[in-house]
Parts: sequence; structure tokens; C-alpha cells
Amino acid sequence: QVQLQESGPGLVKPSETLSLTCSVSGGSISNYYWTWIRQSPGKGLEWLGYIYYTGNTKYHPSLKSRLTMSLDPSKSEFSLKLSSLTADDTAVYFCARRVATKPIYCYDSWGPGILVTVSS
Amino acid sequence: AIQMTQSPSSLSASVGDRVTITCRASQGIKNDLGWYQQKPGKAPKLLIYTTSYLQSGVPSRFSGSGSGTDFTLTISSLQPEDFATYFCHQDFDYPLTFGQGTRVEIK
Repeated sequence: QVQLQESGPGLVKPSETLSLTCSVSGGSISNYYWTWIRQSPGKGLEWLGYIYYTGNTKYHPSLKSRLTMSLDPSKSEFSLKLSSLTADDTAVYFCARRVATKPIYCYDSWGPGILVTVSS
Repeated sequence: AIQMTQSPSSLSASVGDRVTITCRASQGIKNDLGWYQQKPGKAPKLLIYTTSYLQSGVPSRFSGSGSGTDFTLTISSLQPEDFATYFCHQDFDYPLTFGQGTRVEIK
């Protein structure tokens, strides 16, 4: 059974860049869309984007200029970098595995989430 | 972006009750809709995908229906472990979006 685990800092200063990593164990990186989702009280659940196992990416339009995702198959991990942070980026960040093979579209595995607070 | 609107935002129910949660999309999404359950401090958990397919291991008291813009999650007989927040999610068009959630509380 695949397991995902986020890692990274819990506190980041405004204007800095957030770097998070999601480690994948118990399953293959191949054929899935590796996704980042965040949750804050004000915005609910927000899809940030994905990186496909081939390296193709798709980002939320509102974050596209600040967001970069990468994948390291040799380490079975994928990462997120979000720049120019503001307090609005304070949230719990989840990594998730998305299945997108017609007709199945869903997030079938999630990491436990990591709380990131943006504050000086 | 496609807006997903859930109703109600919260509800109170008793063990054994039949519970129905509705999700409406701002435009047609065929049947590319999923339902997730979230308990406090935990990640969301997949219940239903592609409108009506039950995820492996999810009890059969959960069911989903709908198509186009209107979708429903039904819990046929509410159990103590079902008190949680439920989210719908459209996987039809980018950016992918979630409903705001429906909190199911104990009456």
C-alpha cells in the first residue's frame, strides 16, 4: 500500500520561498499525477498543481508565476517550491497521488499534511 | 474556474439517520466528480470517484449519484465514525476545484 509523507519547514518568513518534499513509499512513481493541495480556513481545499511521472506539470493559474514542481524518480519523491510567500500562503499542505485513467479520476492516497505558517 | 457549491454547509443528524449532501457545479462536469471525507487533523480520504464508484474498503452505506451539474452523496444509515466533513471535487477541468465542505455533526 502506497504511503506519502510531506517534509519541510513549518515556519517561513514573508517574501521567502517554501520548499516541500513528498516521499513516496510502497508503490511506483509511474503512471500517476503527483499533486499538491493545500487547506486553509479561509480558502478551504485548494488544488495547487501536479507533476506527472514523465515530468509534465500543470499549475493553478493564480500561482503559476510562483510555483515550481519537480520529481526525482530515483528517490521516489517529488517537490514543491512556492516563492514570494505572504500570510495568505499559510495553510496545511498535502501531497496526494492522483489517478487519471479514464474513467477513474481521484486522489486515492494522501500524505498526512504539513502545516506551514508564513510569519516574520 | 468551475465553482463547486455544497449544501448544506453543516447538518446535525443522529446515528441511523439517512443523510444526503448535494454538490452543484457551475458548469457541466459530466461525471468527473469525487467525494472525500475528512476528520479533524487528518488528510481527506477518498470515498467515491467518478460520481458513483465506491473506493475499495469504503462501507456500502455510502453512495453517490448525479451527472452534469448536480451530484449527491448519500449515507444510508449514519454511523458514529461518519461524523466528519465531506468535500466534493471536480476533476473535469483545470484548475481542479473542491466544494467548501459539509460538516456532519452529532444531533
